[in-house]
Amino acid sequence: EAGVTQFPSHSVIEKGQTVTLRCDPISGHDNLYWYRRVMGKEIKFLLHFVKESKQDESGMPNNRFLAERTGGTYSTLKVQPAELEDSGVYFCATGTGGYGGYTFGSGTRLTVV
Amino acid sequence: QKEVEQDPGPLSVPEGAIVSLNCTYSNSAFQYFMWYRQYSRKGPELLMYTYSSGNKEDGRFTAQVDKSSKYISLFIRDSQPSDSATYLCAMKDATGGTSYGKLTFGQGTILTVHP
Repeated sequence: EAGVTQFPSHSVIEKGQTVTLRCDPISGHDNLYWYRRVMGKEIKFLLHFVKESKQDESGMPNNRFLAERTGGTYSTLKVQPAELEDSGVYFCATGTGGYGGYTFGSGTRLTVV
Repeated sequence: QKEVEQDPGPLSVPEGAIVSLNCTYSNSAFQYFMWYRQYSRKGPELLMYTYSSGNKEDGRFTAQVDKSSKYISLFIRDSQPSDSATYLCAMKDATGGTSYGKLTFGQGTILTVHP
């Protein structure tokens, strides 16, 4: 079974530019989550999709962040325009919604300079 | 005040030692408790999850939950160099199962087991 795939693995962009992160979930996992870890801080929840619908977006920091999930499959997280404080590691996680756990991707390390 | 407090360490122990990792929390709504292990440049990997007070054992790992004190622990017996990683506690409320809904993480403890 393929795991959760995220790309790019690393992105360096200038302040004010746009970046799009992508997450390909495990097949059959309707629940998809985005998390972020800023240096020195804990991993924080951003939002939760159930299939293509946003179930909970309470963790999205501001309207510069836009998440989509096309047809309930892969998801993208766009940051536009990027600010210095957006630097960090962005994780995608997916789950069946039942018991067991979430499966995390390896993350995208975003550096805004 | 953070909802979940975890000592970031770093923690350095010799091979074979018993390791104790701990988290405290303040939100009484948390009912599911998980421990994740994260190797460098990788995503968190689920080690164990529990949803009741008491102990749960899996090989060299034991997870302990004390809901009355809002305190959880992970014990690693006979620690190995391959256990060197960041250990994250995470918890969620009772909505759905253990793979539904947002997780709240501790900061993570960096563990090094030296030969």
